[in-house]
Amino acid sequence: DAKTTQPNSMESNEEEPVHLPCNHSTISGTDYIHWYRQLPSQGPEYVIHGLTSNVNNRMASLAIAEDRKSSTLILHRATLRDAAVYYCILMRGDMIQGAQKLVFGQGTRLTINP
Amino acid sequence: DTGVSQDPRHKITKRGQNVTFRCDPISEHNRLYWYRQTLGQGPEFLTYFQNEAQLEKSRLLSDRFSAERPKGSFSTLEIQRTEQGDSAMYLCASSLASNTEAFFGQGTRLTVV
Repeated sequence: DAKTTQPNSMESNEEEPVHLPCNHSTISGTDYIHWYRQLPSQGPEYVIHGLTSNVNNRMASLAIAEDRKSSTLILHRATLRDAAVYYCILMRGDMIQGAQKLVFGQGTRLTINP
Repeated sequence: DTGVSQDPRHKITKRGQNVTFRCDPISEHNRLYWYRQTLGQGPEFLTYFQNEAQLEKSRLLSDRFSAERPKGSFSTLEIQRTEQGDSAMYLCASSLASNTEAFFGQGTRLTVV
């Protein structure tokens, strides 16, 4: 499984933008970049995913480097409810047996200060 | 449809007992995943189904663990002869297909005493 590297923890202030980095230097051409987050005492929650182009949705934006070896999840205006562990995950886009699953790392624990 | 539901939410059992957990996925989802999560760690993949077919099992899934999805709808995860090391949160997720949004349940917290 292609691996990702994320900082263990980050801290930001309420109502400020947050940029969560993820390195995936061994990404293959068919790997999608997925982001999930896990709030305390809850199951993981989908945030966003993309392949090559930057993506936006109501929760966040995903900025993907041109060489695809890194990406950044952007929360435009953090709230206290965004405090969670954020996971950056690569998932194969082809039908290779054994590749069709989310493989979680340690993620980044995001703390939001009021 | 209110999402993925798991039952029970909490289970305390004595070492050596068998336990079974149930997961009801979102109704039209044909993929169903089981994960295990211990404190401070990310979820670890256990197994997944496409409809009723179990397509992959992790090496973490010892022969004491078995999962079924008999009619391609709900799934059960059974742990036989539980050990203290089985204490964890067991998470179920479902999705329409690969590379689509996976929806997770709230999990079943197992404590083996």
